[in-house]
Order: sequence, then C-alpha cells, then structure tokens
Amino acid sequence: SQKIEQNSEALNIQEGKTATLTCNYTNYSPAYLQWYRQDPGRGPVFLLLIRENEKEKRKERLKVTFDTTLKQSLFHITASQPADSATYLCARGDAGNMLTFGGGTRLMVKP
Amino acid sequence: DVKVTQSSRYLVKRTGEKVFLECVQDMDHENMFWYRQDPGLGLRLIYFSYDVKMKEKGDIPEGYSVSREKKERFSLILESASTNQTSMYLCASSRKGAGDYEQYFGPGTRLTVT
Repeated sequence: SQKIEQNSEALNIQEGKTATLTCNYTNYSPAYLQWYRQDPGRGPVFLLLIRENEKEKRKERLKVTFDTTLKQSLFHITASQPADSATYLCARGDAGNMLTFGGGTRLMVKP
Repeated sequence: DVKVTQSSRYLVKRTGEKVFLECVQDMDHENMFWYRQDPGLGLRLIYFSYDVKMKEKGDIPEGYSVSREKKERFSLILESASTNQTSMYLCASSRKGAGDYEQYFGPGTRLTVT
C-alpha cells in the first residue's frame, strides 16, 4: 500500500520565523498531495493542493512544494504566528477519490 | 457556510453493543468517507461511498459496516462494539470527479467502548 510519512515529533519555532514541515511518500508519485490543518478536538480543514506536475503552490503565507525526485513535499508557513499552532496533515491522492493520510506533525509557535 | 455534521461529539458504549454513528452533509457531495484517528496512527479510512447505496472498503473495514440510503447521509455501524474500537471517528465529504477535490470534515465523534 502507498504510505505517507510525516515527522511525528513536534516542531517548535519562534514567532516570525518560517516553519517547514516535511511529507515523504513511498513508491510511485501520487497524482496530487493535499495539506490539512487540524486543531485539537476538531476535524481537519483543507489548506492547499499540489499536483504532480506542479513544483510549487502558494496561498498567502503558505507555500507547498512537490519534489518527485526526492519523493517529498515541503509545507512552509512564513512569518509564523502563535495562531498557526496546530497539527498539519499531508495526504496523497492516487487514482480515484480516496486519500491516504500521514500521521501529522504538530507545530508549536512560541511568542 | 458548508457543513458536515456528526450525530454526537462524545459517546460511551459497552462492549457488545451495536453502535450507530451518523453523518450529514449539506453540500450535495457525491463522495462520503468514514475515518478513525488514533494517536501515532493518523487518519485511517474505514469505508468510502461514491453514491447512494454504493460503498468501497477502506484500509480497516473489519468490524464495521456502513449505510447510505440518501445522498446527504452516511452511517457507520459497529455491529458489536469492542474496546479496540475506542477512537475518534471522523466523517468527510467531497465532490466526485478527477479525484483531487478537497474533503470537508465533520467535528468528529469520540467513542469510548468500556
């Protein structure tokens, strides 16, 4: 089965810095990757999608990259704020409508 | 404002009980999903439905069944609850198409089986 791996250790950074989260996948490249944000006790909320033929996508302070050579996606939050503290989930999409999620990385932004 | 709602936020059931978790979406989405989320294991797909009365097994369907009699409603059934089914259950919906549509999640149901 296709796997998605995210760093299970929490990422702690200072307010104002850029947070970079990593998502690695196995086997063949997915057709697309999606990133979600999840706050404690709530369902995930969609943030960004990047397709296999796209190198980079941006949305406000968010940027996601897709490197098919490294089999990796990086998710960046620039000028991070304490309100960005949450768990971020990466998911791969292949043929069909199902997603395979990674375990998520918890981000803590300290004032 | 688009919405996915789940019947309960918290549920406590006894071993062997039959448990129904219900999910309703108001976006006219064709696809609906049931996941469970456990620490260290992430979100795992239990079942997926792409149309009324249609379903596909996900990664962990054992011990679960589903029902989709109406487009907006997707039910997850635990025929005989066991303690290893204690978990957070999340429902989601999405449009049907090329497959890259985002999923909209409900708030989750935290189920405890004692």
